[in-house]
Amino acid sequence: AQKVTQAQTEISVVEKEDVTLDCVYETRDTTYYLFWYKQPPSGELVFLIRRNSFDEQNEISGRYSWNFQKSTSSFNFTITASQVVDSAVYFCALSEASTGNQFYFGTGTSLTVIP
Amino acid sequence: EAGVAQSPRYKIIEKRQSVAFWCNPISGHATLYWYQQILGQGPKLLIQFQNNGVVDDSQLPKDRFSAERLKGVDSTLKIQPAKLEDSAVYLCASRLTAGTGGKEQYFGPGTRLTVT
Repeated sequence: AQKVTQAQTEISVVEKEDVTLDCVYETRDTTYYLFWYKQPPSGELVFLIRRNSFDEQNEISGRYSWNFQKSTSSFNFTITASQVVDSAVYFCALSEASTGNQFYFGTGTSLTVIP
Repeated sequence: EAGVAQSPRYKIIEKRQSVAFWCNPISGHATLYWYQQILGQGPKLLIQFQNNGVVDDSQLPKDRFSAERLKGVDSTLKIQPAKLEDSAVYLCASRLTAGTGGKEQYFGPGTRLTVT
């Protein structure tokens, strides 16, 4: 069974629009961590954000914001006022204490920001 | 602070040939990971090292893949013999420690392998 599901395969938005990337996870652990990574065309995965299962406080950092809801097992990521440089593949990942903190990645959402 | 280094960046080989990839993690990072990322998919863990010991290699195809981290610093991943389905990007990542959960992994630029 897929532990991390990113239902959106590809998204295209026009520059300056807001866009939300969805992530749904599955775990039986009470202690776990969720991550978002960005993979630009250069290929290197860039760490964006980490949340632990005990911290449901949502956060805004510049143009990025995250919505973590344990009740729906979702960890969504929003970019406001999108820019062309935001074009990349975004991956959501889960780390569980019971599996030695191994990372489980979703299949990624390819975001294209059109100028 | 220097990031995770990998080489080569690109490699093209014929099936049944051998290939090796090298990774140098961020200084002081005890945990090192090798992932395989097939086009259009998320990274899949192949092997995890804690210092020079293997923590998890359950998804490593051991009949053809091998990896080592002899001195607990840099690591090599080898494929012998390669198959067409091994064409992928091989990513190396490191983390400060595996003991405390949740700390993010830092990734290298990857090696893009094409098997013809």
